[in-house]
Amino acid sequence: KAGVTQTPRYLIKTRGQQVTLSCSPISGHRSVSWYQQTPGQGLQFLFEYFSETQRNKGNFPGRFSGRQFSNSRSEMNVSTLELGDSALYLCASSVGDRQNTGELFFGEGSRLTVL
Amino acid sequence: QKEVEQDPGPLSVPEGAIVSLNCTYSNSAFQYFMWYRQYSRKGPELLMYTYSSGNKEDGRFTAQVDKSSKYISLFIRDSQPSDSATYLCAMIYSSASKIIFGSGTRLSIRP
Repeated sequence: KAGVTQTPRYLIKTRGQQVTLSCSPISGHRSVSWYQQTPGQGLQFLFEYFSETQRNKGNFPGRFSGRQFSNSRSEMNVSTLELGDSALYLCASSVGDRQNTGELFFGEGSRLTVL
Repeated sequence: QKEVEQDPGPLSVPEGAIVSLNCTYSNSAFQYFMWYRQYSRKGPELLMYTYSSGNKEDGRFTAQVDKSSKYISLFIRDSQPSDSATYLCAMIYSSASKIIFGSGTRLSIRP
C-alpha cells in the first residue's frame, strides 16, 4: 500500500513569492491534515480537510490556505512568503470517519526555505 | 501555558537502558493519547495509541496514561541505537477535534 506522497520535497523561495505544496493521501483515506514543523514551535496544526471540506483550522494567518479535491488529494498554498515561513510542511492522512482517533499517517514533508 | 508540555531533551542513554519519556497536559477533556516517532528528515509515524487511562504494551514499548495526574509516559525497554529519534506525544479531545502535539523529545541511544 503506497504511503502519503508529498511534492516537492525541497524548495527555495524568496520573500513575497507564493508557494503551492501537494499531498496525495493513502488510498481510501478521506481526511488530509497539514502541519508546520519548526525547531522552535514544534508541530503546529494548519488545517484539516475531509471530503473536500475544511473540518478544522489552526491559528495561522489567511496567507495560508488549502483545498482538497474529489480524489482526496490536497494542496496548500502560502502567499506573500515571509522568512518565518521557512519550515517543514507535513501532510498527514487518515481514514477520517466519525471516529477520528488521531491515527495519522504522515508524508516525508516539503521543506521550504524562504530567503 | 501550552496545552501539552514535553521536555525537548536531548536525552542520551546507553544501549540496553530503560527510557522514560513523558508529557503533561492541562485539559482533562483529552480522551485519546498517542506517541509518534520521527526519524531525522522523515515524517512522524504512529508508535503507540491508547484510549483513556491505563497501560498498553507493544513489544519493547509501553504507553501509560494517568488521567488523574494529566500525565502520559512512554517506556522503552532494552533500548537500541535504532530507537534514536524524536518522540512526540499527541492527544485529541474527540472525534471532531484537532490533534494537539507536544514539541517532541530528542532521544539518542549510545552503542
